[in-house]
Amino acid sequence: EAQVTQNPRYLITVTGKKLTVTCSQNMNHEYMSWYRQDPGLGLRQIYYSMNVEVTDKGDVPEGYKVSRKEKRNFPLILESPSPNQTSLYFCASSGTTEDTQYFGPGTRLTVL
Amino acid sequence: GENVEQHPSTLSVQEGDSAVIKCTYSDSASNYFPWYKQELGKRPQLIIDIRSNVGEKKDQRIAVTLNKTAKHFSLHITETQPEDSAVYFCAASEGTGGFKTIFGAGTRLFVKA
Repeated sequence: EAQVTQNPRYLITVTGKKLTVTCSQNMNHEYMSWYRQDPGLGLRQIYYSMNVEVTDKGDVPEGYKVSRKEKRNFPLILESPSPNQTSLYFCASSGTTEDTQYFGPGTRLTVL
Repeated sequence: GENVEQHPSTLSVQEGDSAVIKCTYSDSASNYFPWYKQELGKRPQLIIDIRSNVGEKKDQRIAVTLNKTAKHFSLHITETQPEDSAVYFCAASEGTGGFKTIFGAGTRLFVKA
């Protein structure tokens, strides 16, 4: 089954404790993105990747890191999380032959 | 920075009526305009999209129109049904769906039976 998976789905952590949210897709897609969703603000792109080892900043990259060492994986790293990074995070992927972005199930992160 | 404005933020219609959601974008380089539907507690899903070389696209009860000169695009839902109730997001992108993408803030649509 074609899908985008994210782990964990829910995470409560404390300020300053490094964390990683994983994202994996099994559709051999070139493009992958991370978004955060906050009430009244829609989805805001954090980082996107066009292929392995090729990443670029989205609209709100501050406080986040990403890497794309393998085509299927695109982890989101918060080196020193802060309460303003409490949000719902979505990973998405798409291929070069179609425009549709497929979203993962979301990760709800709370930083205390 | 670049942005996408979406109106209205909330829309309530009677079942069977039409619903229209409008978006305006600022980045002249944008050439791909998708619309997503997000039901409560679920992930966004693409419902229709349009490229800048097309003025209108239709898929059953859903249509999207684009005015590139005015930088406006709109979603039209006809014969609305209760299952159309959801949050709808417009977006503008410079490339394909996975490229740099700016989303609107969303429209919460209520369809009353």
